[in-house]
Amino acid sequence: EIVMTQSPATLSVSPGERATLSCRASQSVSSNLAWYQQKPGQAPRLLIYGASTRATGIPARFSGSGSGTEFTLTISSLQSEDFAVYYCQQYNNWPPVTFGQGTRLEIK
Amino acid sequence: EVQLVESGGGLVQPGGSLRLSCAASGFTFSSYWMSWVRQAPGKGLEWVANIKQDGSEKYYVDSVKGRFTISRDNAKNSLYLQMNSLRAEDTAVYYCARVLYEFDYWGQGTLVTVSS
Repeated sequence: EIVMTQSPATLSVSPGERATLSCRASQSVSSNLAWYQQKPGQAPRLLIYGASTRATGIPARFSGSGSGTEFTLTISSLQSEDFAVYYCQQYNNWPPVTFGQGTRLEIK
Repeated sequence: EVQLVESGGGLVQPGGSLRLSCAASGFTFSSYWMSWVRQAPGKGLEWVANIKQDGSEKYYVDSVKGRFTISRDNAKNSLYLQMNSLRAEDTAVYYCARVLYEFDYWGQGTLVTVSS
């Protein structure tokens, strides 16, 4: 099973600033990695797939990078609606599909 | 517009059974793998099961193997999760999701609470 580890667990950033979230895989997942955003009481929403491709309707301030075992989600200029929990997920080697434990992005 | 609507959640005693349903619309249901993903209260996301377009392949997380069964009815555009021998640790919101490789669309979820 591939273990996904996200860091930090909580990130405090001011609106308008840049946020950088990390995700590490226990073995290579190539570029088969997705990022999701989840707000309280809502279902997760797909942001990024293929490590760097934005999903339909996702603003350009969200970008993904990385391959192999190290991945980054960057939000270039935080808006109020971006404060949420973010999960990475690998789909290179399944079953099982595995998620990271999440990073909570909070307002500083 | 793609829509996934789960139903069937509720309160059940340990050892009991429950059947979840997911009604799909807005896309050709029979062309996609489908999945169940759950989230325990205050916790992260956990994949539960996947099913191939024609139902011929099914995969489960180890913790539910032998207890849960994923199925689908393409004529009814519906996905199901039969959950038997439920345990307290199965308490979660259960989401159905459409699978490309990633999960591109999710339902709103249905809460399953296992408690005496």
